[in-house]
Amino acid sequence: AQTVTQSQPEMSVQEAETVTLSCTYDTSESDYYLFWYKQPPSRQMILVIRQEAYKQQNATENRFSVNFQKAAKSFSLKISDSQLGDAAMYFCAYRSARSGNTGKLIFGQGTTLQVKP
Amino acid sequence: DAGITQSPRHKVTETGTPVTLRCHQTENHRYMYWYRQDPGHGLRLIHYSYGVKDTDKGEVSDGYSVSRSKTEDFLLTLESATSSQTSVYFCAISESRLAGVISYEQYFGPGTRLTVT
Repeated sequence: AQTVTQSQPEMSVQEAETVTLSCTYDTSESDYYLFWYKQPPSRQMILVIRQEAYKQQNATENRFSVNFQKAAKSFSLKISDSQLGDAAMYFCAYRSARSGNTGKLIFGQGTTLQVKP
Repeated sequence: DAGITQSPRHKVTETGTPVTLRCHQTENHRYMYWYRQDPGHGLRLIHYSYGVKDTDKGEVSDGYSVSRSKTEDFLLTLESATSSQTSVYFCAISESRLAGVISYEQYFGPGTRLTVT
C-alpha cells in the first residue's frame, strides 16, 4: 500500500522569503501523480500544483514549484516570495496512474504554514 | 470552481442517532468520494463511487454507508453516530470528459463539520 509522509507539522516563513515544505512517499508503482493542496482557514481544498511521475521536469505554477526526486521518493514544495495569503495547511497527496485506478488520493498529515509580516 | 455543494455545512448530533450528509455536483463527473479530515491524519478516504449504484470501501469505512442513485448525488450515512465520528467530512469529484479530453483532477466540496456529543 502507498503511504505519504509530511514530517513537518508546522513551518513559518517571513513575508517575501522562500520556504520549502517536505513530502516523502512510498510506492512500488512506477506511474503515478503527486499533488500539493492548500487548505486556508476557510477549509476549502485548493489544488496548488501537480506532478506526473513520468515527467522529469519539475512542475511550476507562478510562485510555487516542486522538487521531484523519483528515486528518493521525495516531493517538496517551494513557495517563493511568500505572501500573507499563503498561510494555510498544505497537504501532499498521491494518486496511482494504473489503468482502472479509481482516482482516490492518499494524503499526508499536512503542514501548517505561518507567514510572518 | 467545480460545482460541488455539501449539506449540511455544520451539524451537531447525539451519540446513537443516524446522520446523512449529502454531496451534490453539477459537473457530471464520474467519480465521487467521501473523505474525513482529522488532526494528524490528513484526509482519509471513507467510500467512493465510480458510477450510479457503484460504490466501494475506502480506508476508514467502518460505521459508514453510502448511496448513489443519481450521477449528481452521493450520500454518506452514519447509521448510529459515535463520538469517534466527530470530524470534518469532504466530498470530492473527479473524471470529467469534455470534447474527448479526460481530466482526472479531483475537486473538493466546502466540507461539513460534524460533532457527535
